[in-house]
Amino acid sequence: KNEVEQSPQNLTAQEGEFITINCSYSVGISALHWLQQHPGGGIVSLFMLSSGKKKHGRLIATINIQEKHSSLHITASHPRDSAVYICAVRSGSGGSNYKLTFGKGTLLTVNP
Amino acid sequence: KAGVTQTPRYLIKTRGQQVTLSCSPISGHRSVSWYQQTPGQGLQFLFEYFSETQRNKGNFPGRFSGRQFSNSRSEMNVSTLELGDSALYLCASSYAGVNTEAFFGQGTRLTVV
Repeated sequence: KNEVEQSPQNLTAQEGEFITINCSYSVGISALHWLQQHPGGGIVSLFMLSSGKKKHGRLIATINIQEKHSSLHITASHPRDSAVYICAVRSGSGGSNYKLTFGKGTLLTVNP
Repeated sequence: KAGVTQTPRYLIKTRGQQVTLSCSPISGHRSVSWYQQTPGQGLQFLFEYFSETQRNKGNFPGRFSGRQFSNSRSEMNVSTLELGDSALYLCASSYAGVNTEAFFGQGTRLTVV
């Protein structure tokens, strides 16, 4: 079992729909990142969370540390939101023991 | 403000050769992290450099190495290339390390033939 599981793997939506992508992890973490990757490879860091909720424009990210679960929501989705969304967790402590583990990503396609 | 610059963008090498990739971070950022992305394994953490010192390392063989210069620019080297090293190599820079926001480069796509 992977340490970081994302669901769904693929998601197709119509423009304007509300989108939710989930991330579950099995290790203790110090932070969780949501990343967006467009075709061609470029990655953009959307959020970094260690507790609670963050909002940026139409994007909302939440994390529940007790349940080891995070969600990324997109309100009023748009075709330009089509991308791969990747969850990454940082675990470990101490100078050289930090480890970054990534989920496999969720491919989101928003149709006009 | 210039973003993270990776060079070259594309590279084709032969098995057994070595390769050096470069990453220039955002001005003022002292941390540079490297990642490998393949279709089968997804994104995997290679290593992180901070102020010219390797601070964190992922589970990769010793053929993968790196360094960071005093101007924070970083290079990654892969020796004795194998077909399985074909991947997109991404670097990210941040001001103080992985618990601060990271900015990614466009990546170097390495193909080993």
